[in-house]
Amino acid sequence: KQEVTQIPAALSVPEGENLVLNCSFTDSAIYNLQWFRQDPGKGLTSLLLIQSSQREQTSGRLNASLDKSSGRSTLYIAASQPGDSATYLCAVDDYKLSFGAGTTVTVRA
Amino acid sequence: DADVTQTPRNRITKTGKRIMLECSQTKGHDRMYWYRQDPGLGLRLIYYSFDVKDINKGEISDGYSVSRQAQAKFSLSLESAIPNQTALYFCATSDLRGSSTDTQYFGPGTRLTVL
Repeated sequence: KQEVTQIPAALSVPEGENLVLNCSFTDSAIYNLQWFRQDPGKGLTSLLLIQSSQREQTSGRLNASLDKSSGRSTLYIAASQPGDSATYLCAVDDYKLSFGAGTTVTVRA
Repeated sequence: DADVTQTPRNRITKTGKRIMLECSQTKGHDRMYWYRQDPGLGLRLIYYSFDVKDINKGEISDGYSVSRQAQAKFSLSLESAIPNQTALYFCATSDLRGSSTDTQYFGPGTRLTVL
């Protein structure tokens, strides 16, 4: 059974600081790994999807890396803004998604 | 209009009542999913359907049933609701991309409270 862990559970940083969010998973036989953003009381929004054959994916200030062999992914958010405050979830796809519990980020103005 | 809609958005019910949560999508995707989210536990898969004739149990299907009425509609039922089914429920859809599943698109969620 795939287990997905996200550490830390919560993170608070001043505006402008770079964010580093970690995700680890136990079974490396995955199709892809996805990062989602969830705002309070809202659904999930897909941020980045990294196929198993890729090492990283970038979108604007976001960059996600994937190391399948070690079962790890990292989401980097450059120059954080208060609008980045949300919960970030990673999910691995091994024909169905298994989610981590998320990292709740607060960016202080 | 939203691509994935869920009704109702909020529901309070009593123990033992039958409840149906509905999901509709306009994305034309074949694959649909139901998840529940509990604080500190992330999302857990209840049921999933890869097409109208294909229904599969997920990680936590006990106490739930589903119906795929059409490609665009996937309903989740709680036959006899109990308090530990109080949670936030999400519907999602996805499509195939080669041999891998494309990203999932989520509805806004249904907050269910069972008293």
